[in-house]
Amino acid sequence: DGGITQSPKYLFRKEGQNVTLSCEQNLNHDAMYWYRQDPGQGLRLIYYSQIVNDFQKGDIAEGYSVSREKKESFPLTVTSAQKNPTAFYLCASSRLAGGYEQYFGPGTRLTVT
Amino acid sequence: KQEVTQIPAALSVPEGENLVLNCSFTDSAIYNLQWFRQDPGKGLTSLLLIQSSQREQTSGRLNASLDKSSGRSTLYIAASQPGDSATYLCAVRLSGGGADGLTFGKGTHLIIQP
Repeated sequence: DGGITQSPKYLFRKEGQNVTLSCEQNLNHDAMYWYRQDPGQGLRLIYYSQIVNDFQKGDIAEGYSVSREKKESFPLTVTSAQKNPTAFYLCASSRLAGGYEQYFGPGTRLTVT
Repeated sequence: KQEVTQIPAALSVPEGENLVLNCSFTDSAIYNLQWFRQDPGKGLTSLLLIQSSQREQTSGRLNASLDKSSGRSTLYIAASQPGDSATYLCAVRLSGGGADGLTFGKGTHLIIQP
């Protein structure tokens, strides 16, 4: 089955720890994205990558980092510098950047205490 | 900066009714507009994608329209069913400028009463 997988589904961390969220796709898509969703708010773009070994900051990149070493993988690290890390994190991909449909993974709910 | 607004924020209707969800955006320079469905605690499921050159798209009981010049889109759901209960999100993709990614509205929480 083709699709996007995110693991784990739930993640708990103590304040001050870095944590890495996994996103893998087998759709052969070039572009990948990370969004954050908070209650009562729309999804907000954290980082995106239009091609392997390249990535760009989105609207709320502070306190996050990414890498894109392989086409199918786009991990997101939430660092201790992120002031409010507790949220639902969604990964997406599209065949190419620009006017192509985006497909989303099932999400990871991160809770930091 | 692009802003996307969805009205109403919540809607509850009896099963079988036809209904319309509204989405407006402030910057008409878009590549496309995408409607999604989100069930509680889940990821997003793409429903319809309308390119900027198109006026509407249809899939089953769903029909989405786009009026780029006025910055509006509607999602029409015919003969609603309890299984349609979910949050519906509208998102636009800006064209040009090198930036990428979607700008989302806050969604319409839809409940279909059996």
